[in-house]
Amino acid sequence: KAGVTQTPRYLIKTRGQQVTLSCSPISGHRSVSWYQQTPGQGLQFLFEYFSETQRNKGNFPGRFSGRQFSNSRSEMNVSTLELGDSALYLCASTYSPSVSTDTQYFGPGTRLTVL
Amino acid sequence: GDSVTQMEGPVTLSEEAFLTINCTYTATGYPSLFWYVQYPGEGLQLLLKATKADDKGSNKGFEATYRKETTSFHLEKGSVQVSDSAVYFCALSESANQAGTALIFGKGTTLSVSS
Repeated sequence: KAGVTQTPRYLIKTRGQQVTLSCSPISGHRSVSWYQQTPGQGLQFLFEYFSETQRNKGNFPGRFSGRQFSNSRSEMNVSTLELGDSALYLCASTYSPSVSTDTQYFGPGTRLTVL
Repeated sequence: GDSVTQMEGPVTLSEEAFLTINCTYTATGYPSLFWYVQYPGEGLQLLLKATKADDKGSNKGFEATYRKETTSFHLEKGSVQVSDSAVYFCALSESANQAGTALIFGKGTTLSVSS
């Protein structure tokens, strides 16, 4: 079974631009979560989607948004990029969105650099 | 809110040494606990998990026991190998009675094993 895939793997943008990252979950998984990883803040939860609906949201500004499509693929968008948005963005999928025992499976991440 | 505290690194060991990485948590409910590992340039891989008190998770020689009385989930391995060099993250999943499955991570512990 194919794992979680994320595209692109690397991105370089400049301040003020916007960016869209894509995530395809494991086949059959219906929940997709996004995390930001930085050296200073570590791994932080951004949001989670299930059945095209945002079910849970972390403490990030409104510049960070996402969506999920009917095939469970998800995208996240960051508008008006800031230098501090430089990070590794990880996507994770799980079958059930409301069972804490379920394992989240992570993709390789998208490395975003903002210049 | 819920939180995870794990020992600061880096941890430097010789091959075949015993490994312990401490992890304690604070949670209002009954979380599931996870250890994830991240190799350079990659995403997170699940190492092991435990979903209730006194459960022991194990994988690839690594073990961790869910200790509710001490709110701990320490990672251990009897004999480390060079290939175990990576960053290890302790994480908890929010209680099942809350919407979503956001993972809360510790800061990560870098393990370096030399031959």
